[in-house]
Amino acid sequence: GDQVEQSPSALSLHEGTGSALRCNFTTTMRAVQWFRKNSRGSLINLFYLASGTKENGRLKSAFDSKERYSTLHIRDAQLEDSGTYFCAAGTGGYKVVFGSGTRLLVSP
Amino acid sequence: GPKVLQIPSHQIIDMGQMVTLNCDPVSNHLYFYWYKQILGQQMEFLVNFYNGKVMEKSKLFKDQFSVERPDGSYFTLKIQPTALEDSAVYFCASSLGGGSQNTLYFGAGTRLSVL
Repeated sequence: GDQVEQSPSALSLHEGTGSALRCNFTTTMRAVQWFRKNSRGSLINLFYLASGTKENGRLKSAFDSKERYSTLHIRDAQLEDSGTYFCAAGTGGYKVVFGSGTRLLVSP
Repeated sequence: GPKVLQIPSHQIIDMGQMVTLNCDPVSNHLYFYWYKQILGQQMEFLVNFYNGKVMEKSKLFKDQFSVERPDGSYFTLKIQPTALEDSAVYFCASSLGGGSQNTLYFGAGTRLSVL
């Protein structure tokens, strides 16, 4: 079935540094969403992309349907960025498939 | 931003009993979803509901599961009877348009513990 492979599974950053999360897709996806799960378990919407790139503050996301991947870049990481990040994508039907998540820990 | 509310946040129930999980979706949204996450595993799609009908469901959506949204009130997931393997966090989501080409907004989940 459709699969979303998310990496890394865990990431540690010092404040002020940055890194990238990635989701590879085993099939052509038509759109991707990125979420952050906060300490209360709520899924916070970060980005929705059908193509190209989007930027919001210190976060930037890219989606290439043809090459079957999406990335989430975090720069100048802050303590409050800690949490678990998920990508989710779909082929155009009603079902959206989630990645397994990246646990990000930002430390002083 | 738009908020999806799930009530209660945690529900404990004896195996074999019926349980109803409630979701208050974003007010103008038309498409509703349930996802299931067993501890330590990925979130898995259960079902999509639109205009009073199930549009798509997965193999995880067993015969004991049903969904409805009577008269525009809560969107509910009913499990009757419950089984031990139904223990999980159930996430409700809603979207304005249908499917993966629309932004989904999720609730914080209801943790169901079946004893």
